[in-house]
Amino acid sequence: DADVTQTPRNRITKTGKRIMLECSQTKGHDRMYWYRQDPGLGLQLIYYSFDVKDINKGEISDGYSVSRQAQAKFSLSLESAIPNQTALYFCATSDSTPEQFFGPGTRLTVL
Amino acid sequence: KQEVTQIPAALSVPEGENLVLNCSFTDSAIYNLQWFRQDPGKGLTSLLLIQSSQREQTSGRLNASLDKSSGRSTLYIAASQPGDSATYLCAAEQEHDYKLSFGAGTTVTVRA
Repeated sequence: DADVTQTPRNRITKTGKRIMLECSQTKGHDRMYWYRQDPGLGLQLIYYSFDVKDINKGEISDGYSVSRQAQAKFSLSLESAIPNQTALYFCATSDSTPEQFFGPGTRLTVL
Repeated sequence: KQEVTQIPAALSVPEGENLVLNCSFTDSAIYNLQWFRQDPGKGLTSLLLIQSSQREQTSGRLNASLDKSSGRSTLYIAASQPGDSATYLCAAEQEHDYKLSFGAGTTVTVRA
């Protein structure tokens, strides 16, 4: 089984809908991250969490919110989706070392 | 704000040729520099991590160098194979803040 899983893997939704993307990990890492990737651009950090009670905004947090339900679960929500949030979303985890481990990604399309 | 650039955006080589992938960054005060591989439908896989105090790291056919003073890192892949076809991304971590700044990647195609 994969160490970092993301659900759903693909989602098509309409403008204005609320969407939740979920991430689970079995690596026992404290740190979790949400990134988005747009074509031709590098990954951009949306939110990150260093433990269950610690949530921090990344460089592009506007329009997004997160919830750290447990050490192993970190969810990303789009309260009212808009077309320019169409992107590939990645969850990642790390422990106290710099190396980050990524999930397979969720491809989100907002019509 | 750290800016990370990877040129070229795409590269096509015949099998067996050595690959040279470039990464440049604007702020030399980095904690480490990482190279990742991205395959379609899959997440990123960490290939090599170079700490700021190191000049290079090697793993099998892969070698990555780091020159902080010039703001550059290079990933060398020896004797390329079709299985090396993927997108390669570099990412810099600023001063141990656990946040990565990514380049847009170089998409490599190795022709059999």
